Amino acid sequence: AQTVTQSQPEMSVQEAETVTLSCTYDTSESDYYLFWYKQPPSRQMILVIRQEAYKQQNATENRFSVNFQKAAKSFSLKISDSQLGDAAMYFCALPRSNDYKLSFGAGTTVTVRA
Amino acid sequence: EPEVTQTPSHQVTQMGQEVILRCVPISNHLYFYWYRQILGQKVEFLVSFYNNEISEKSEIFDDQFSVERPDGSNFTLKIRSTKLEDSAMYFCASIAGLAGANEQFFGPGTRLTVL
Repeated sequence: AQTVTQSQPEMSVQEAETVTLSCTYDTSESDYYLFWYKQPPSRQMILVIRQEAYKQQNATENRFSVNFQKAAKSFSLKISDSQLGDAAMYFCALPRSNDYKLSFGAGTTVTVRA
Repeated sequence: EPEVTQTPSHQVTQMGQEVILRCVPISNHLYFYWYRQILGQKVEFLVSFYNNEISEKSEIFDDQFSVERPDGSNFTLKIRSTKLEDSAMYFCASIAGLAGANEQFFGPGTRLTVL
C-alpha cells in the first residue's frame, strides 16, 4: 500500500517570503512520480509541480520548487516570493504505477499575509 | 485547452434519494477516476475505470455506488440511496495513458449535500 503524510495542517507566510511544505511517503515501487496539487477556495485541483523519482535533480516551476530526498522518502514543496494568490490547500500525491491511482496526503492550508 | 467538466456543480438531495453525478473527461483520455473529499479532509480514491469496466474500487465504493460510461463521452457516478455521510465534493479525473509523468486532469468537482 502507498501512503502519503503531510504533518503540517496549516502554514502562514508573509507576502514575498518563502514557505516550505513537508511531505513524506511510503511506496514499494522503485520508479515513481510525485505531485503537488493546489486546491484554491474554488476547490479545483491544479497540478503545481511533478518530480520523477529516478531524476536526482529537483523539479522547479517558476516560484515553486521541490526538495526530493529519495532515501528519506521526503518530498517538500518550497514556494518562493509568496503571493496572495498562492493561498490554498496543497496536497502531496503519489500515483501508483500500474493504474495511476493517486494517494493524497491530508493537505496543508497555506495562508498568505499581506 | 481541453478540460474535464462536471455537472452539476452543486447537488442537494434528501437522504435515501438517488443521485447521478456527471463528468465529461478529456476526449482522448483512456483512464477515468472518481475521488471524494469530505469537507476539510483529504481526497480519497473511489474508483478507477478503463475499457468500459471498473479497474479498482475502494472500500468506500460499496453496492450503493456504480459508474458507467454510457455513450463514450460521459462518465457517471451514481449513488443509489444517499446517506448523510455521502455529503462531500466529488471529483472526476482522467488521464491519457499510464506512462511517464502523465498528469491526471481533474474536473471542478460536484458538491453533494445530503439532507
